[in-house]
Amino acid sequence: DAGITQSPRYKITETGRQVTLMCHQTWSHSYMFWYRQDLGHGLRLIYYSAAADITDKGEVPDGYVVSRSKTENFPLTLESATRSQTSVYFCASSEVGNTIYFGEGSWLTVV
Amino acid sequence: AQTVTQSQPEMSVQEAETVTLSCTYDTSESDYYLFWYKQPPSRQMILVIRQEAYKQQNATENRFSVNFQKAAKSFSLKISDSQLGDAAMYFCAYREIQGAQKLVFGQGTRLTINP
Repeated sequence: DAGITQSPRYKITETGRQVTLMCHQTWSHSYMFWYRQDLGHGLRLIYYSAAADITDKGEVPDGYVVSRSKTENFPLTLESATRSQTSVYFCASSEVGNTIYFGEGSWLTVV
Repeated sequence: AQTVTQSQPEMSVQEAETVTLSCTYDTSESDYYLFWYKQPPSRQMILVIRQEAYKQQNATENRFSVNFQKAAKSFSLKISDSQLGDAAMYFCAYREIQGAQKLVFGQGTRLTINP
C-alpha cells in the first residue's frame, strides 16, 4: 500500500530551468493538492484539483503550472525556476470531506 | 476567506506532564472539519486528530484530545503524559466542506519536551 508518493525527494536546479515535481496516489482520491512550506511558515496552497481535468489556483499559484490527466497523478511544474521558489513541496490527496493525507515532501533548492 | 491562528510560536513541557496548544479560526460556515497535524524534523505531515464541527463531543486519540468551542471558534489540542517523541511542530488546520475543500493551516507551534 504505497499511498501517496512524491518524486524527486530532493532536487537542486538552476535559476531559469524548468522543473517538474511528480505526485502519484494509489487510493483513487478525487481531490489532490500542492502546498509549499517555507522556513518559519505554515503550508500554503499552490494549486488543487477536484477531479481529473479539473484544477484551480490556490493562494500562491504564480510561476507554477499543474495538470491532471489521470486521477492518480498530479504533477507540478515550475516553468522558469526562481530562488524564491526554494521550498519544501507537499502533495496531498483526499476523498470528499475526508482527511487529507500528505506525501513525504520534495525538497527543492534553486541556485 | 477562512483563517487559522496559532498564537503560540513555541511551547515547552516537562516529560510526562500535560500541555495545551491553542488554535482559533475564522469562518462564516456552520459545518467544516478541524485537524491537528504533527510535523517532526523529517517534515512528514502526520495526522494527530480530527474534529467534525457538527459533533459536540470532543475528539480523543489516546493521549491526544481537543477542546472544541464552536461559538468561540477555538480548537485547542491537549497532550497528556508528554513523551520525547511528541517533540515536533504542530499545525492546526481548517477544511471547508463545500467548494474547494482545501485545508487552511495556522503558522504552527513548535513543541519541545524537556526530559
